[in-house]
Amino acid sequence: DAGVIQSPRHEVTEMGQEVTLRCKPISGHNSLFWYRQTMMRGLELLIYFNNNVPIDDSGMPEDRFSAKMPNASFSTLKIQPSEPRDSAVYFCASSRGQGFQETQYFGPGTRLLVL
Amino acid sequence: GENVEQHPSTLSVQEGDSAVIKCTYSDSASNYFPWYKQELGKGPQLIIDIRSNVGEKKDQRIAVTLNKTAKHFSLHITETQPEDSAVYFCAASKGNNDMRFGAGTRLTVKP
Repeated sequence: DAGVIQSPRHEVTEMGQEVTLRCKPISGHNSLFWYRQTMMRGLELLIYFNNNVPIDDSGMPEDRFSAKMPNASFSTLKIQPSEPRDSAVYFCASSRGQGFQETQYFGPGTRLLVL
Repeated sequence: GENVEQHPSTLSVQEGDSAVIKCTYSDSASNYFPWYKQELGKGPQLIIDIRSNVGEKKDQRIAVTLNKTAKHFSLHITETQPEDSAVYFCAASKGNNDMRFGAGTRLTVKP
């Protein structure tokens, strides 16, 4: 298996622009997680899907952030409009089963820089 | 909510020595404690985990211990090698609704 696939790997954009991050989970995995990693705040959970349904989005910072999972093999995280403080590495992870007590497999991340 | 504290933030050891990283958690209901290793430019990778019904778990050179009474758990790496150099994260989870990560420990193994 190719593992969790994320695109793009790097994104540089200007403040106010829309950013879309993409994730393909491991085939057969039922749960998908979006995380954000920064030096100041560490690794933070943004949103968690199970069977394509958002279960917990309490970590989504504000209305500028939205996430979708239209099918079992694809998810997007969108930031509109983007701000410099959104600069971070965004990870997608997937796992079998439900919840946080199964092994999560992380993708390589998308490094986002908002100027 | 759960709060996870991790120490030290940086750790430097000589190749062959042991390394110990400690985490404390605040919510006594937490029952799953994974450890992740993150190499430069990559996503975190699970290296070992422990559940609250177990006090210790070992996998080759890596072991994790859990003290539920004191609400702390530790990662032990023996016979360290340069390829063990990375950032290590602990985490704590309860049920299916949440997982909180520690701030990370940057381990450097000097050859």
